[in-house]
Amino acid sequence: GQSLEQPSEVTAVEGAIVQINCTYQTSGFYGLSWYQQHDGGAPTFLSYNGLDGLEETGRFSSFLSRSDSYGYLLLQELQMKDSASYFCAVSVGGGNKLTFGTGTQLKVEL
Amino acid sequence: DTGVSQDPRHKITKRGQNVTFRCDPISEHNRLYWYRQTLGQGPEFLTYFQNEAQLEKSRLLSDRFSAERPKGSFSTLEIQRTEQGDSAMYLCASSHRTHSYNEQFFGPGTRLTVL
Repeated sequence: GQSLEQPSEVTAVEGAIVQINCTYQTSGFYGLSWYQQHDGGAPTFLSYNGLDGLEETGRFSSFLSRSDSYGYLLLQELQMKDSASYFCAVSVGGGNKLTFGTGTQLKVEL
Repeated sequence: DTGVSQDPRHKITKRGQNVTFRCDPISEHNRLYWYRQTLGQGPEFLTYFQNEAQLEKSRLLSDRFSAERPKGSFSTLEIQRTEQGDSAMYLCASSHRTHSYNEQFFGPGTRLTVL
């Protein structure tokens, strides 16, 4: 089976930088994805790492180390609208089905 | 709107009744996924289709659940003899090889409440 661990809650101030870590245990690993979900909303894709290293998309960056079964999402220049739940998810098998972690609730304060 | 759509958005039913949900993926997205999400948890994979073929079904899915995608476009998820434990948000997502299937686009979900 698969298991993912990420912190349940993170609080940061507007304009700051925050890192959300994710460790995983799985077989048939293809890649690590990050999704954002606002209360009552649908998950929206943020990033995908299939290879080791850093992927940057605007204010968001994501990192993967396959040897350490570890990744993180880095959010820079935090804004109030970034308050949401962030899920890491592993892609397993050829179908890219996703196994999600339990999510990290990010609260951005003034 | 060209995103993933789901119908209905909310469904309240009595225990023992059957319910059916519909998902319309983004046009030309040949992969379609169903997930279930309960409060405070991440989405949980249920099943997925490539075109009209159902390629994988979660072992956690009981025989009361069935999904179809008859023409490779929209999909339906049916739950027979609903139980209170089926209460959850049912999410549909679609993807396309343009993004190597790595980016899944989620619909707004159908919230099921079983009384």
